[in-house]
Amino acid sequence: AQSVTQPDIHITVSEGASLELRCNYSYGATPYLFWYVQSPGQGLQLLLKYFSGDTLVQGIKGFEAEFKRSQSSFNLRKPSVHWSDAAEYFCAAMNTGFQKLVFGTGTRLLVSP
Amino acid sequence: DVKVTQSSRYLVKRTGEKVFLECVQDMDHENMFWYRQDPGLGLRLIYFSYDVKMKEKGDIPEGYSVSREKKERFSLILESASTNQTSMYLCASPDRTGELFFGEGSRLTVL
Repeated sequence: AQSVTQPDIHITVSEGASLELRCNYSYGATPYLFWYVQSPGQGLQLLLKYFSGDTLVQGIKGFEAEFKRSQSSFNLRKPSVHWSDAAEYFCAAMNTGFQKLVFGTGTRLLVSP
Repeated sequence: DVKVTQSSRYLVKRTGEKVFLECVQDMDHENMFWYRQDPGLGLRLIYFSYDVKMKEKGDIPEGYSVSREKKERFSLILESASTNQTSMYLCASPDRTGELFFGEGSRLTVL
């Protein structure tokens, strides 16, 4: 079955430190991949997406993600975390027919001073 | 801007009641989705539709049904609400680039 796995439920990083959030997918063919962020009490906002081509994708708010086919991964990174990045992050995958979009269970990011 | 509108932000229903959650999108999108969001479980797909009168089960369709009589409207129906259906329900619709646009959500409490 198609699935997306985010192995980390919570992650705490210090402000200014680098961040990497993990995401693995299980699909028959390479799906379209997305990262969304949800701040407390807010809706989901798209950070970035990967369809094809360059495996390093730049997004908003200084985030980037790298697609690695061999590892079925699409990890999200940021070189220097700001306190305002504290939120829940969701990885998602969609089959290439733009139909079913499946989300991971999310990773909650806490930023310490 | 794409707009996805959910008719009710907050609902309180009793066990056994029939519940309708309405979603309307104004950008002529083909696909529409219904998710529920629960702490620690992320967003789970209930049903999706890729055309009028077409529907597909998602990962957790049990206890739910849907209706898509018009392209812009996708309704989620709880035939007989139960307490374990207390949740935040999110409607979403992707544009042709795959970016998903969400409604504001409907928080349902079943007593």
